[in-house]
Amino acid sequence: KQEVTQIPAALSVPEGENLVLNCSFTDSAIYNLQWFRQDPGKGLTSLLLIQSSQREQTSGRLNASLDKSSGRSTLYIAASQPGDSATYLCAVSDNFNKFYFGSGTKLNVKP
Amino acid sequence: ETGVTQSPTHLIKTRGQQVTLRCSSQSGHNTVSWYQQALGQGPQFIFQYYREEENGRGNFPPRFSGLQFPNYSSELNVNALELDDSALYLCASSTTSGGGNEQFFGPGTRLTVL
Repeated sequence: KQEVTQIPAALSVPEGENLVLNCSFTDSAIYNLQWFRQDPGKGLTSLLLIQSSQREQTSGRLNASLDKSSGRSTLYIAASQPGDSATYLCAVSDNFNKFYFGSGTKLNVKP
Repeated sequence: ETGVTQSPTHLIKTRGQQVTLRCSSQSGHNTVSWYQQALGQGPQFIFQYYREEENGRGNFPPRFSGLQFPNYSSELNVNALELDDSALYLCASSTTSGGGNEQFFGPGTRLTVL
């Protein structure tokens, strides 16, 4: 059974810092990995999608990498801003597009 | 292009009651998946509907059931509500049921069971 773990569970950084969020998964037979952002009490906003054949994706200040063989992904956020404060979730999909989620990393960026 | 929408936004029920949650998929998407997210946890897969048929189910009891309509909108029905059913219910749509397709999530329905 696929298990997804995210470390750290919570992170507090001053504005302007670069930071890395980690995601690991136990079964490397994934179809893609998707990073989401979730604001308190809200739905999920897709940030980046990495197909299993890809190594990384970039969008603005965000960069996500995927090492499928070792079961790891990282989300790099450059020059963090208070508006980046949210919970970040990673999810991996199987061949039925069923997503397995981690419990998330709660990020607080202090002004 | 209209995104994924869900209704209602919030719902309060008492134990033993039944509830129906609704989801409209994004334009052009024929696959809808439902997830349950308990407080402080990641979403858990309930089931998926593809072209009006159930296409995979997570570890949820039969009192969780669903429907998908010809326009690909979907309903999640929960019977005999229990306190532990209190959660945020999310639906997601994608272009097909196969692996590798990006999923787009709705804003969720917050269900509270008293």
